[in-house]
Amino acid sequence: DAKTTQPPSMDCAEGRAANLPCNHSTISGNEYVYWYRQIHSQGPQYIIHGLKNNETNEMASLIITEDRKSSTLILPHATLRDTAVYYCIVRVPLKTSYDKVIFGPGTSLSVIP
Amino acid sequence: ETGVTQTPRHLVMGMTNKKSLKCEQHLGHNAMYWYKQSAKKPLELMFVYSLEERVENNSVPSRFSPECPNSSHLFLHLHTLQPEDSALYLCASSQVADRGTQYFGPGTRLLVL
Repeated sequence: DAKTTQPPSMDCAEGRAANLPCNHSTISGNEYVYWYRQIHSQGPQYIIHGLKNNETNEMASLIITEDRKSSTLILPHATLRDTAVYYCIVRVPLKTSYDKVIFGPGTSLSVIP
Repeated sequence: ETGVTQTPRHLVMGMTNKKSLKCEQHLGHNAMYWYKQSAKKPLELMFVYSLEERVENNSVPSRFSPECPNSSHLFLHLHTLQPEDSALYLCASSQVADRGTQYFGPGTRLLVL
């Protein structure tokens, strides 16, 4: 699976949009971009995924650049409950990953009142 | 509530004890996973069961023994653990056709004394 790079931490004001970037310059043509988040002491939560088109669901929007080398997760109106570590992962949906570490260090997002 | 439950939520055990962690998914998935999350470390994949057959064990020590009696239930049997095995143990499930979209349980916080 391709590797990803994310900033270690970000702050966002409550009610504003949170834009979390992810670089995946070695992504291959059949790899999807997945986003998860982990609120302190809870299990990771699936957010959204996409291949090359922008995606939106009730939780967030995913913007993937045309060359697919980077993406941005957008939380349109961040709340305090969105404070969490956000993980960006690239992988092939049908493949069982043999990488021991699939979730990297992620971005710690703090939503500030 | 993700549709994946884990019991117990907290466990304290001595190094000579034998205990089991239980995971149950109510999502109709056919793949299940055990992960380990140690303090300040990335999530590590331990075991994968796909269509009830174990497909990798990722070089996990034999003191961890998984069991998957059917597609809805997953166990992790523990014996003669070490203090460094103290961690959050997370169970997840997915469809085999989309291993990237995993739903996690709340985890079992294990402390080995």
